[in-house]
Amino acid sequence: ETGVTQTPRHLVMGMTNKKSLKCEQHLGHNAMYWYKQSAKKPLELMFVYNFKEQTENNSVPSRFSPECPNSSHLFLHLHTLQPEDSALYLCASSRPSGRETDTQYFGPGTRLTVL
Amino acid sequence: AQTVTQSQPEMSVQEAETVTLSCTYDTSESNYYLFWYKQPPSRQMILVIRQEAYKQQNATENRFSVNFQKAAKSFSLKISDSQLGDTAMYFCALAGGAGSYQLTFGKGTKLSVIP
Repeated sequence: ETGVTQTPRHLVMGMTNKKSLKCEQHLGHNAMYWYKQSAKKPLELMFVYNFKEQTENNSVPSRFSPECPNSSHLFLHLHTLQPEDSALYLCASSRPSGRETDTQYFGPGTRLTVL
Repeated sequence: AQTVTQSQPEMSVQEAETVTLSCTYDTSESNYYLFWYKQPPSRQMILVIRQEAYKQQNATENRFSVNFQKAAKSFSLKISDSQLGDTAMYFCALAGGAGSYQLTFGKGTKLSVIP
């Protein structure tokens, strides 16, 4: 596997279910991101991890819970979601930004449908 | 707050022709980075081109080039010799400030290349 991979690619869940999205990067990066992509809206940054530490949380509801056990893996734990949470969830990674802002590389996304 | 505006929701171009996608932005940062990403129907977001604001020279990548007008806060993408594989959503994005993790995206332009 190369680049950034995400599993599952598609997920359908009820509002009372608990599920997790997984992201893995094979690029040697240390920063990882979760984005939400909804129809007709710009991509929304949800969380940022840098060297396994969360550095950004853009006012995301607590029903979304991220986990970053190491620099190569990122999870998004989902529980008691709402239908409006249905969207494409994208994972990205980059080298840690210092004086320069590094390019982010994206995974293929997980298409989530909440019934 | 940073903003990115793409005023063309949809565009089409004949194969082998040239097309220009528009993007304007606003930021209070003096050092920032601009990106064009491409998202084909398979949904993998791919970097097309990147521009550092402190560089006066416009970035180019093969058939893709930008027209960076810093004073006007404009960052358009020109695609020359359009190919069917260029059919995709194109997103303009801004990262403000050195070392910033925050990417602000526009809503995207859907480009269709017509045979």
